[in-house]
Amino acid sequence: GAGVSQTPSNKVTEKGKYVELRCDPISGHTALYWYRQSLGQGPEFLIYFQGTGAADDSGLPNDRFFAVRPEGSVSTLKIQRTERGDSAVYLCASSKTPGSSPLHFGNGTRLTVT
Amino acid sequence: AQTVTQSQPEMSVQEAETVTLSCTYDTSESDYYLFWYKQPPSRQMILVIRQEAYKQQNATENRFSVNFQKAAKSFSLKISDSQLGDAAMYFCAQEGTGSNYQLIWGAGTKLIIKP
Repeated sequence: GAGVSQTPSNKVTEKGKYVELRCDPISGHTALYWYRQSLGQGPEFLIYFQGTGAADDSGLPNDRFFAVRPEGSVSTLKIQRTERGDSAVYLCASSKTPGSSPLHFGNGTRLTVT
Repeated sequence: AQTVTQSQPEMSVQEAETVTLSCTYDTSESDYYLFWYKQPPSRQMILVIRQEAYKQQNATENRFSVNFQKAAKSFSLKISDSQLGDAAMYFCAQEGTGSNYQLIWGAGTKLIIKP
């Protein structure tokens, strides 16, 4: 079916506001990943879900960042009290199983904090 | 800590010619995966090719092939018969075989195809 879907495609917000970024993975994919890509750099790992649980959240930069995946499908990345340094493209990827299966990426959400 | 280095910020090649993109990495693991991803302006990362470290044979996918030198921790991508549609950012990435499966990425190489 459809690939990984991320909404919104672009988000502009003011410093200090709260934002939610949504990722809808490929149906049946149990593993879901969030990465952050700053301008001119490669992506950086944020968090990895296996089913409903966050198996590894070691990449979240601080406690303003939080992600959930309550039913093991759609995931939401939440950022509180946004800062200008949070401006980046947030990429979501899913895979059938973690590890050897290829990652399928969405088109990302470009977040701009003014 | 694991690192991935792409020393070429930008490369250009004439259409139909061959180009090689460089990548080096640093890891203490003995078994891992290496990847090349392509990122066009749409921002979607597209898998180009994958190599398993325990395999001696270099991976190939049509016009794309790699030169994997495990001892030197080098993983270059060769694109043969370059096409206009190959123009994009190319990222090298390494995945450990530990339980976190996170990818460590290079900074990318911008590939320009000259018609």
